[in-house]
Amino acid sequence: SAVISQKPSRDICQRGTSLTIQCQVDSQVTMMFWYRQQPGQSLTLIATANQGSEATYESGFVIDKFPISRPNLTFSTLTVSNMSPEDSSIYLCSVEVGAGANVLTFGAGSRLTVL
Amino acid sequence: DQQVKQNSPSLSVQEGRISILNCDYTNSMFDYFLWYKKYPAEGPTFLISISSIKDKNEDGRFTVFLNKSAKHLSLHIVPSQPGDSAVYFCAARRGGGADGLTFGKGTHLIIQP
Repeated sequence: SAVISQKPSRDICQRGTSLTIQCQVDSQVTMMFWYRQQPGQSLTLIATANQGSEATYESGFVIDKFPISRPNLTFSTLTVSNMSPEDSSIYLCSVEVGAGANVLTFGAGSRLTVL
Repeated sequence: DQQVKQNSPSLSVQEGRISILNCDYTNSMFDYFLWYKKYPAEGPTFLISISSIKDKNEDGRFTVFLNKSAKHLSLHIVPSQPGDSAVYFCAARRGGGADGLTFGKGTHLIIQP
């Protein structure tokens, strides 16, 4: 299975600022998925990032708020823009293990607290 | 509208007994179901899965049962061990493999010594 490294693991941010989360995978993968877990809630898919194309956003998430980069097959970033306390969440990067394998591997997550 | 529901936020089970975690779904397009386990400060780790063409899948102490007509699945852990204490997420996926997973809110399993 793939090994995923996320940075930062946690951060405390001021309202109105932006933060970029990095996701590095130890193997080449086609699709990378970004999830959010708000306190007491389930993991919610933000967007799917394919290399060489624009990310596909789920309902309720927009590119202006959560811009995503996917410069190559092993790396992606998610930016949380103009943060408010409601953005305090764990953000997780995940990848599919083998095409069509149906199993996603997750990074450890980035816990953001917005004051 | 939650498409995957785990109605028990927490469950306490004595060590050595069977733990049964339940999950219901509403979207009939889901055809692959997974259980993930999550410890604090770690990402979810894959535990076991089942395709909609099966009604049971077993892996060691873990068994997942799927009842398609009832849109219900359950995870059985037997015997339960202290290391099983974690949050368990039920997840579902539509066919095709291009989508992410839809998760339930999780059940916090506590194994009592």
